[in-house]
Amino acid sequence: SQQGEEDPQALSIQEGENATMNCSYKTSINNLQWYRQNSGRGLVHLILIRSNEREKHSGRLRVTLDTSKKSSSLLITASRAADTASYFCATDPGGSNYKLTFGKGTLLTVNP
Amino acid sequence: DAGVIQSPRHEVTEMGQEVTLRCKPISGHNSLFWYRQTMMRGLELLIYFNNNVPIDDSGMPEDRFSAKMPNASFSTLKIQPSEPRDSAVYFCASSLHGGGVAEQYFGPGTRLTVT
Repeated sequence: SQQGEEDPQALSIQEGENATMNCSYKTSINNLQWYRQNSGRGLVHLILIRSNEREKHSGRLRVTLDTSKKSSSLLITASRAADTASYFCATDPGGSNYKLTFGKGTLLTVNP
Repeated sequence: DAGVIQSPRHEVTEMGQEVTLRCKPISGHNSLFWYRQTMMRGLELLIYFNNNVPIDDSGMPEDRFSAKMPNASFSTLKIQPSEPRDSAVYFCASSLHGGGVAEQYFGPGTRLTVT
C-alpha cells in the first residue's frame, strides 16, 4: 500500500502563480523527501525534511511538515513552464527499514 | 559524474523471452535500488542492495524476477520468462548511505514492453 498520498492528483496553473501540493502519510517517519519527474525521465531529488523539522526552503521551494497531522506540503513560488512535471513525496520510516515509499504523485502543468 | 547509467533505454520483447536490465550506480554510492513504475501501481520498490548485499527483496513480484550485484559498480535485474504484465518503466537508483537516510539518484529508466 502507498505510504504517501499526494493531493491533488493533477494541478494546472498559469506561469507566475504559486503551486501547492500536499502529501499525507500513515505511519511515523524519520524523514520525508520530495522528488520531481519530468516526462520520460527518472526522478530527481528536490528536498529532504527530517521529522524534527517543520519547514525547509530551497530556492523557490518551500516544504512544511506537520507530524501531528502526518502531512507535508510542497510550495513552488513564481512557477515557470519548466516546472511542469510530476511531483512525488517519499517517506522513510527509519529504523532498520531503509525503504522509501513513494506516493503516486501530483502532475503539475504550468501554462505559459 | 555521469550519474546512474541504465541500459538498454528501451526493450521490446515477446512473451516468454528472457530480459536483462543493467545498472551502473554512481561511483562511491553504497546502496542500490530497483523500482518499477506503472500508471496503475505507481513507483514500486522491487529490491535494494547495501554494499552489494541484497537487503530486502520483498517487492520482487515473483520468482520470475531476480537481481544481482556482483560488484559495487554493476547490477542486473532479470525477468525470465517475461509476461505482458511486466511491461513498465524500470528504474535503478543509488544513494550514498542507506535507504531514506540520504537522497536517491535515479537513472533514466528502461522502458520495457512485452508483447
